[in-house]
Amino acid sequence: DTAVSQTPKYLVTQMGNDKSIKCEQNLGHDTMYWYKQDSKKFLKIMFSYNNKELIINETVPNRFSPKSPDKAHLNLHINSLELGDSAVYFCASSQARVFGYTFGSGTRLTVV
Amino acid sequence: AQSVSQHNHHVILSEAASLELGCNYSYGGTVNLFWYVQYPGQHLQLLLKYFSGDPLVKGIKGFEAEFIKSKFSFNLRKPSVQWSDTAEYFCAVIPATGANNLFFGTGTRLTVIP
Repeated sequence: DTAVSQTPKYLVTQMGNDKSIKCEQNLGHDTMYWYKQDSKKFLKIMFSYNNKELIINETVPNRFSPKSPDKAHLNLHINSLELGDSAVYFCASSQARVFGYTFGSGTRLTVV
Repeated sequence: AQSVSQHNHHVILSEAASLELGCNYSYGGTVNLFWYVQYPGQHLQLLLKYFSGDPLVKGIKGFEAEFIKSKFSFNLRKPSVQWSDTAEYFCAVIPATGANNLFFGTGTRLTVIP
């Protein structure tokens, strides 16, 4: 059973489009996250979501919005996609800080 | 603000060579420390973690890391690398208090030559 699953695995879309990436975890974790990994492999946290509390990295454009229908899901919606949004997006979840995070397999977004 | 530094950007080794990847962090309080590995085209997997106790921690696949508090370091080691260890390695830190956010270093690419 996949612990943290993301769909789709690959997403190619044109500039200006709106797209969503879905994430689900079956670990019973309380907190979920979205990370962006750029072309240089640098991982940057975008959002964390815990018990309906959303913490946003202030450097993330407001075109990005997380949506959590329940504790097991944290979807990422992106409006008006730009070329610079091309990256790999990872979803993750955690229960407590001492255990670290469990990551999904990533979504490679390519904006053309 | 906390930061994590990995000074080795790309390390190239022959099989059976010993490995040490550096990781330093800057944070004034107590931290929990992690090493993650990302094999080509795959997601991040936890190699090992430290949050208290013995500063020498052992992880999967023969990796270990030593936490040296006075040096703010958490270096990753493996006595004999294999071609299958070729991957990107990330050091990461979570402060022991405050937001439960994992901060990553910039990563070190390891290439093992058969």
